[in-house]
Amino acid sequence: GAVVSQHPSWVICKSGTSVKIECRSLDFQATTMFWYRQFPKQSLMLMATSNEGSKATYEQGVEKDKFLINHASLTLSTLTVTSAHPEDSSFYICSAALAAETQYFGPGTRLLVL
Amino acid sequence: EDQVTQSPEALRLQEGESSSLNCSYTVSGLRGLFWYRQDPGKGPEFLFTLYSAGEEKEKERLKATLTKKESFLHITAPKPEDSATYLCAVQAIGNNDMRFGAGTRLTVKP
Repeated sequence: GAVVSQHPSWVICKSGTSVKIECRSLDFQATTMFWYRQFPKQSLMLMATSNEGSKATYEQGVEKDKFLINHASLTLSTLTVTSAHPEDSSFYICSAALAAETQYFGPGTRLLVL
Repeated sequence: EDQVTQSPEALRLQEGESSSLNCSYTVSGLRGLFWYRQDPGKGPEFLFTLYSAGEEKEKERLKATLTKKESFLHITAPKPEDSATYLCAVQAIGNNDMRFGAGTRLTVKP
């Protein structure tokens, strides 16, 4: 149990385009989903927390207009990187949790912006 | 502010050489301390949750323990497939999110 998927697993895009990443909890309903980014050999940095049906809460320094988060259902959250630039290249990982319980992570999405 | 410090940053062991990874934390009321394993290019895999000082949990060659200031992840007779980065995270009472440490990169040589 507690399986979380992400799609796509990797994406290459041109600078200025937008990229959407999906995160799904496959075998449980997640009241809360989290989005992290991770640079090489560094730990996970929380970007935002989203609850189904409400606006996401962004961490300090994360631009909400650049990283759009939609949590439309208890099993799906999306992260859209708008007008991506090379500095947005990173490993994006989502996690899902039921209430305040253990977070289960997706496999990650590697984004490369050229 | 909640803080999590993991040591050592990297650890190289011979197969069968037992050791421990440390996670020191400060948090305004601990709800839970979590251990994850992360392989390169993959998302973290959940290992353990510890809730109160004195609690211990085991899974195969891994045992996690918790005190009021730190947690240890003991690895007994490790194998090369135990090579990974081990992440510690804390969750404060009243919060849904977690704060991660920088991780310990474990390499087990055959």
